Amino acid sequence: EVQLVESGGGLVQPGRSMKLSCAASGFTFNNYDMAWVCQAPKKGLEWVATISYDGSSTYYRDSVKGRFTISRDNAKSTLYLQMDSLRSEDTATYYCARHFWGFDYWGQGVMVTVSS
Amino acid sequence: EIVLTQSPTTTAASPGEKVTITCLASSSVSNMYWYQQKSGASPKLLIYSTSSLASGVPDRFSGSGSGTSYSLTINTMEAEDAATYYCQQWSSNPFTFGSGTKLEIK
Repeated sequence: EVQLVESGGGLVQPGRSMKLSCAASGFTFNNYDMAWVCQAPKKGLEWVATISYDGSSTYYRDSVKGRFTISRDNAKSTLYLQMDSLRSEDTATYYCARHFWGFDYWGQGVMVTVSS
Repeated sequence: EIVLTQSPTTTAASPGEKVTITCLASSSVSNMYWYQQKSGASPKLLIYSTSSLASGVPDRFSGSGSGTSYSLTINTMEAEDAATYYCQQWSSNPFTFGSGTKLEIK
């Protein structure tokens, strides 16, 4: 059974950093691209970033370029999202998703609140 | 950025009724993906590559379309189908979602 379990969320002040993790199991992690998708409270879904199966390629939405870094450790079957210079508009639930013919599996999500 | 416009924004259907949700893209896309999100839950992939049913999805769901116009159809509405539905494209970076269609049961 495919499982994606996010961790690392919480309350953080504007301008500070936070790192999210996503532990994957139930599939061969290093065969799949992975992504982060976020959802602000009561709002729709927004793609954040994607990383290729081997980590050689990364893609970001413009609003997070230069502030967020997606990475992976295939030996640990874990996906990461390093978020720097956080802004109030980054407040959202962040989902880890397998990026294969769409986002075919999703984690339960982790809440990130950026507030002073 | 390709903007996806969904309609209707909200709708309600009776059990057994047919429901169609449309998604218009601001530029042509090669395929469309559809997701279902129930209240308090993570999104779930329903349709990939415009018309292929994801694993475990009931066959009352179907997708169609091409170019800039796509649709998701629920052939016979069931109470468990009450949710918000999103279309999504990955023909062009950034990979955008529609703003969602909230479907309620009458």
